[in-house]
Amino acid sequence: DGGITQSPKYLFRKEGQNVTLSCEQNLNHDAMYWYRQDPGQGLRLIYYSQIVNDFQKGDIAEGYSVSREKKESFPLTVTSAQKNPTAFYLCASSSGPWSEQFFGPGTRLTVL
Amino acid sequence: AQTVTQSQPEMSVQEAETVTLSCTYDTSESDYYLFWYKQPPSRQMILVIRQEAYKQQNATENRFSVNFQKAAKSFSLKISDSQLGDAAMYFCAYRTPLGAGGGADGLTFGKGTHLIIQP
Repeated sequence: DGGITQSPKYLFRKEGQNVTLSCEQNLNHDAMYWYRQDPGQGLRLIYYSQIVNDFQKGDIAEGYSVSREKKESFPLTVTSAQKNPTAFYLCASSSGPWSEQFFGPGTRLTVL
Repeated sequence: AQTVTQSQPEMSVQEAETVTLSCTYDTSESDYYLFWYKQPPSRQMILVIRQEAYKQQNATENRFSVNFQKAAKSFSLKISDSQLGDAAMYFCAYRTPLGAGGGADGLTFGKGTHLIIQP
């Protein structure tokens, strides 16, 4: 079955530590995205990548970093510079600019 | 910057009845896409319906339909014959392709409407 996987489902880290969230897709999609969701809020775009080895900042990129070395993978690193990292993180992919985005199941990050 | 507004934080409807969720958006673009996504308690985002701005005909998917008013920048979702499984958060989203207008390529979401289905 084609789809998007995110791991782990729940992640706990101590304040000041960097943490990397995994996102893998086997849909052969060129574009991939990272969103953050806070309680009572819609999703907000962190980073996106339209092609391998290229990525762009979204609306709330500060304190985050990404890489896109393979078409299937788009990991997100939450750095110690992110002031409020506790949130639900969703990864998505899309086959093109006129296509809908498909979402992974998400990772709940809690920083203690 | 584009904005999406969902003015109803919560809606409640009796099972088998019809409910309409409201969404308005602000943009200076003429070509764009609009979506409704459903997020059940599992938190998986599921596409419900999509609408291309250049199409005048309102999109329909089984019990789900939209009322797209481009001039008014309104995009409401109607759910007919509501079922218990429709209970979820519903998000309206907007997209321009490839960062048209200088913006980022990605979806802009409203804050969501929590839909409750009364048995």
